[in-house]
Amino acid sequence: ETGVTQTPRHLVMGMTNKKSLKCEQHLGHNAMYWYKQSAKKPLELMFVYSLEERVENNSVPSRFSPECPNSSHLFLHLHTLQPEDSALYLCASSQDEIQPQHFGDGTRLSIL
Amino acid sequence: GESVGLHLPTLSVQEGDNSIINCAYSNSASDYFIWYKQESGKGPQFIIDIRSNMDKRQGQRVTVLLNKTVKHLSLQIAATQPGDSAVYFCAENYSGAGSYQLTFGKGTKLSVIP
Repeated sequence: ETGVTQTPRHLVMGMTNKKSLKCEQHLGHNAMYWYKQSAKKPLELMFVYSLEERVENNSVPSRFSPECPNSSHLFLHLHTLQPEDSALYLCASSQDEIQPQHFGDGTRLSIL
Repeated sequence: GESVGLHLPTLSVQEGDNSIINCAYSNSASDYFIWYKQESGKGPQFIIDIRSNMDKRQGQRVTVLLNKTVKHLSLQIAATQPGDSAVYFCAENYSGAGSYQLTFGKGTKLSVIP
């Protein structure tokens, strides 16, 4: 699946660091999503953007800050993270609402 | 809130046999359902979807059945192959509110025995 590309694939950071995750979709979709996937828990929706406007924000801590500069790119800015934030962060895109979401392969984030 | 769940966390199937993965959902208002496959080290891959105005949909080697009466969804994989080994997730959506919100189950791990 090369439609949604995420970088980096792996990231190790300390709690005081600032880093960003990047997502790019080549599918011409209008909506983009950030999800968190932790072991033994269902996928958790974090943020949704439609046509570069944020449409959903599921009570995510402010240490996670999304940015959508255009319909093809999505960023997740990270600062002052906690050990429990270690997880796989997945980006997805869809044509519109109530359409299949297509996922990237994720960024495996480890907080020291 | 309501959630999607799975009956079986693990399933082992002999190569060549058919696989059936089940999913129970609790929101009777949900009207769109998706099955995903996730292999180790990869993101979820879309398999098939179904809307609530249908009770069956077929794809290549896969069939999704929807029983709205008992709020049950199943994924059938015909002639299971080693490449089908993965974790399978169902997800539901209610178009009436928060239309972008998919609620995912925890997943069922399918292991194919050669």
